[in-house]
Amino acid sequence: GNSVTQMEGPVTLSEEAFLTINCTYTATGYPSLFWYVQYPGEGLQLLLKATKADDKGSNKGFEATYRKETTSFHLEKGSVQVSDSAVYFCAQTNAGNMLTFGGGTRLMVKP
Amino acid sequence: EAGVAQSPRYKIIEKRQSVAFWCNPISGHATLYWYQQILGQGPKLLIQFQNNGVVDDSQLPKDRFSAERLKGVDSTLKIQPAKLEDSAVYLCASSLAYSETQYFGPGTRLLVL
Repeated sequence: GNSVTQMEGPVTLSEEAFLTINCTYTATGYPSLFWYVQYPGEGLQLLLKATKADDKGSNKGFEATYRKETTSFHLEKGSVQVSDSAVYFCAQTNAGNMLTFGGGTRLMVKP
Repeated sequence: EAGVAQSPRYKIIEKRQSVAFWCNPISGHATLYWYQQILGQGPKLLIQFQNNGVVDDSQLPKDRFSAERLKGVDSTLKIQPAKLEDSAVYLCASSLAYSETQYFGPGTRLLVL
């Protein structure tokens, strides 16, 4: 079945460091891929998405590229801020638009 | 534009009691989803509605969970009777159409003692 695997956290970085959170997926067909973010005490927010191979999603300085050949959708940011501290979820949708999430990666950014 | 609304935000009950959660999707969104998020895990889909019809409820524990969306707008998720392992955050999401991006509400945090 469809699944999403992302790196376990927590990931602890200093402010202005480079961020990579790895995400790989298994799927039949061609899913859409998403990154959602959950700030402390808040609900899930869509961060970015990509709907086909080689698409790059971007938002708030974060980027992820849909790599069909490696079945990956890694999240990157060039310079993290303390306010980026949150839990990040990679997800995919199948033909029925049902989201399958990874387990989440907690990011902690220290000043 | 108002987001997805959920209530209550927090609920504490004893095992074997019943509980209900309410969700009001973004106006005009035809598709509504309920997810269960256990602490430290990603959300898991419980049920998906298209207007007032069920599209998928294959992961809903039907012996104790039920959900309805009678008028195709707001929805209620019920647990009866609750078990300790039902302690989780219950998230409601909606999308404009069947294949559109899902937007999530703040969730209801349930603790079963």
